[in-house]
Amino acid sequence: EAQVTQNPRYLITVTGKKLTVTCSQNMNHEYMSWYRQDPGLGLRQIYYSMNVEVTDKGDVPEGYKVSRKEKRNFPLILESPSPNQTSLYFCASSLALGYNTEAFFGQGTRLTVV
Amino acid sequence: AQSVSQHNHHVILSEAASLELGCNYSYGGTVNLFWYVQYPGQHLQLLLKYFSGDPLVKGIKGFEAEFIKSKFSFNLRKPSVQWSDTAEYFCAATPSGNTPLVFGKGTRLSVIA
Repeated sequence: EAQVTQNPRYLITVTGKKLTVTCSQNMNHEYMSWYRQDPGLGLRQIYYSMNVEVTDKGDVPEGYKVSRKEKRNFPLILESPSPNQTSLYFCASSLALGYNTEAFFGQGTRLTVV
Repeated sequence: AQSVSQHNHHVILSEAASLELGCNYSYGGTVNLFWYVQYPGQHLQLLLKYFSGDPLVKGIKGFEAEFIKSKFSFNLRKPSVQWSDTAEYFCAATPSGNTPLVFGKGTRLSVIA
């Protein structure tokens, strides 16, 4: 089954404790991205990657890192989480950017930073 | 900056009422347009998409959207909503080419019996 898998689904952590949210897709998609969803603000893109070893900042990259060492995986790293990073995070992938493609989303990770 | 605007933050309808959710985008050239739905506690799923051709696009669950180029709009419609349509709806757009998808802020739809 074609899918985007995120882990964990729920995470509560303390300020400053490094964490990683994993994202994996099994569709051989080139393009992957991370979004955060906050009430009243909709979906905002954090980082995206157009292929292996190619990443770029989205609209709200501060406080986040990503890596794309393999095509299928695109982990989101919070080196020193802060309470303002409490949010619902979604990973998405698509075949490519732009032309005739749709984004497939993971189930989401609800992160709480205390 | 390129943007997608959804005019309604929260819409409340009775079952069987007709639905129209507004979406406007700011790109000037060729554009790909999408509507996604997020049911409570779930991830985003594609409702329908427009790339080219017939400007009236039909999607899943009886939804449709009309692309009106002169108005930069891609409004979502459904003739008769059901309680199960309660969800958040996101419009998204990308110009053709290597440009990331841009989402609107979303419209929450509540359907009451």
